[in-house]
Amino acid sequence: KQEVTQIPAALSVPEGENLVLNCSFTDSAIYNLQWFRQDPGKGLTSLLLIQSSQREQTSGRLNASLDKSSGRSTLYIAASQPGDSATYLCAPRGGTSYGKLTFGQGTILTVHP
Amino acid sequence: GAVVSQHPSRVICKSGTSVKIECRSLDFQATTMFWYRQFPKQSLMLMATSNEGSKATYEQGVEKDKFLINHASLTLSTLTVTSAHPEDSSFYICSASRARENGYTFGSGTRLTVV
Repeated sequence: KQEVTQIPAALSVPEGENLVLNCSFTDSAIYNLQWFRQDPGKGLTSLLLIQSSQREQTSGRLNASLDKSSGRSTLYIAASQPGDSATYLCAPRGGTSYGKLTFGQGTILTVHP
Repeated sequence: GAVVSQHPSRVICKSGTSVKIECRSLDFQATTMFWYRQFPKQSLMLMATSNEGSKATYEQGVEKDKFLINHASLTLSTLTVTSAHPEDSSFYICSASRARENGYTFGSGTRLTVV
């Protein structure tokens, strides 16, 4: 059974800092991995998708890396802004045809002006 | 991109009544959709896998007679909470994927409050 751990559980930083959010998973037989953002009371917004054959993906100030063999993924956020405040979730997708996503508890990020 | 629409966004119902939540894939066909439940300050818990034209697959501990899932077309899955009770109050979210190599897209969620 896949288990996902995200560290830190919460992070509070001043605006402008570069951030690192960590995700580890126990079963490396994944098809891909997604990073999501969830604002309070809202659904999930997909930030980045990394296929199992890829090492990293970038979108704007966001960069996600994947080390499938060691069961780790990292989300880098450059020059953080107050609008980045949200809960960030990583979710590896199982390797079967309709592989399920497994979620960690998330990292609650607060960026102060 | 892939769009998933979920309705209603918020519903309040009386204890003992049933509530239906709809999840639609707007610009793609989804033979499989997923239903999640999220309690305050907790992560998403997968409830069931909705399969077009066949019975849903429920996760361990989820009552299939309470949470009825119907996936009658390639673009619509519904979750009906039957005989709702206050403990069923939660945030329910659906998701679907256009293809295996694509990521999952989530609906905007439904906040259910049972009074």
